Amino acid sequence: DVKVTQSSRYLVKRTGEKVFLECVQDMDHENMFWYRQDPGLGLRLIYFSYDVKMKEKGDIPEGYSVSREKKERFSLILESASTNQTSMYLCASKGDRYEQYFGPGTRLTVT
Amino acid sequence: DQQVKQNSPSLSVQEGRISILNCDYTNSMFDYFLWYKKYPAEGPTFLISISSIKDKNEDGRFTVFLNKSAKHLSLHIVPSQPGDSAVYFCAASGSFGAGSYQLTFGKGTKLSVIP
Repeated sequence: DVKVTQSSRYLVKRTGEKVFLECVQDMDHENMFWYRQDPGLGLRLIYFSYDVKMKEKGDIPEGYSVSREKKERFSLILESASTNQTSMYLCASKGDRYEQYFGPGTRLTVT
Repeated sequence: DQQVKQNSPSLSVQEGRISILNCDYTNSMFDYFLWYKKYPAEGPTFLISISSIKDKNEDGRFTVFLNKSAKHLSLHIVPSQPGDSAVYFCAASGSFGAGSYQLTFGKGTKLSVIP
């Protein structure tokens, strides 16, 4: 079974703080993704990576950056957290097939 | 523009009856479609998928139908159970370029199965 883990289930940060969300997958997948989920808006792609050190912007990259130094790990960085970044953040990985496998999510609250 | 649309934000169904969740897409380059199920405070889990070369795929109580000419797919759950209560996301992918990496998701339909 594919396992995708995320560093925190719940996180509370203050406005202006730098926030790191980490994701690790154990299936040697090439592709990894970061989404945010908001009520009524579905899942929106922030960034994805198709190889180590490679990254591509998704639909809503503003205010975020990513890092992929190792194949199994994909980090999402909020350089200066703002209240409109309060959301559920979901990491996913994908191998050769179409399916993406998601982690449990991190509920981030920025106050 | 929204390329994958789930026009019903919510659906209530009696336990034991059929649940039908609908999804429409606009991009004719999509050739693979997936359904995900999501419980609150958990990540989405893959449920069932269908390739554009098929019009039906079945897995236990779950069946997905694809109508390519109408750019429409539906997920049927029979019989519905209270544990099926969740948000269901439709997703689509292409097999070309960046489209082969990404999934385009609909906004989801919240299914409530009433005991």
